[in-house]
Amino acid sequence: DIQMTQSPSSLSASVGDRVTITCQASQDISNYLSWYQQKPGKAPELLIYDASTLETGVPSRFSGSGSGTDFSLAISSLQPEDIATYFCQQYENLPLTFGGGTKVETK
Amino acid sequence: QVHLVESGGDVVYPGGSLRLSCAASRFTFSGHGVHWVRQAPGKGLEWVAFTRFDGKSGDYSDSVRGRFSISRDTSANTVTLHMNSLRAEDTAVYYCARGRGYSFRGGFDYWGRGTLVTVST
Repeated sequence: DIQMTQSPSSLSASVGDRVTITCQASQDISNYLSWYQQKPGKAPELLIYDASTLETGVPSRFSGSGSGTDFSLAISSLQPEDIATYFCQQYENLPLTFGGGTKVETK
Repeated sequence: QVHLVESGGDVVYPGGSLRLSCAASRFTFSGHGVHWVRQAPGKGLEWVAFTRFDGKSGDYSDSVRGRFSISRDTSANTVTLHMNSLRAEDTAVYYCARGRGYSFRGGFDYWGRGTLVTVST
């Protein structure tokens, strides 16, 4: 199975800060990676697919990059509504696997 | 707007069975894979199972293979997760999610609200 390692597991930042979350795959997954945002008590929502393609309707302050084994999700200017947990997920091969999640909080 | 609604979650004894349903509307059901993803209380996301766009194949996580099975009824626009030999570690919110493409690739672009399964004495 492909292991997905996300870091950090949590972070605290101020509104307006740039935030970066990383995800490392245990083997080459090309660009077969998506990022999700999950707010408490809600279902996850797709932010980015194919490592860097923004899902329709997602604010442009979100961006994704990387290929192979190393990926990142950036929020250019953190907004109060971005407080959530973020997950990466690979779909290069079955079983599909998720990273452990990054909880983003405000200072 | 694409709509997915899960149902069937309940409290069940260890060793018991349960059937979860996912009702889809407002999209071409046969054009997408459909997945089940679960989340144990306070934990992360775990992919459980998927059925391909045509229902002719699918796959399962090792943790449920042999105990769970997935089926789809294209005419009724539903996908069902049949859960047998349930264990305490199967306790979770179960989400139905639409795959972006025909196969397992592409991520999940729409999710239901989830249904809670509790396995306990």
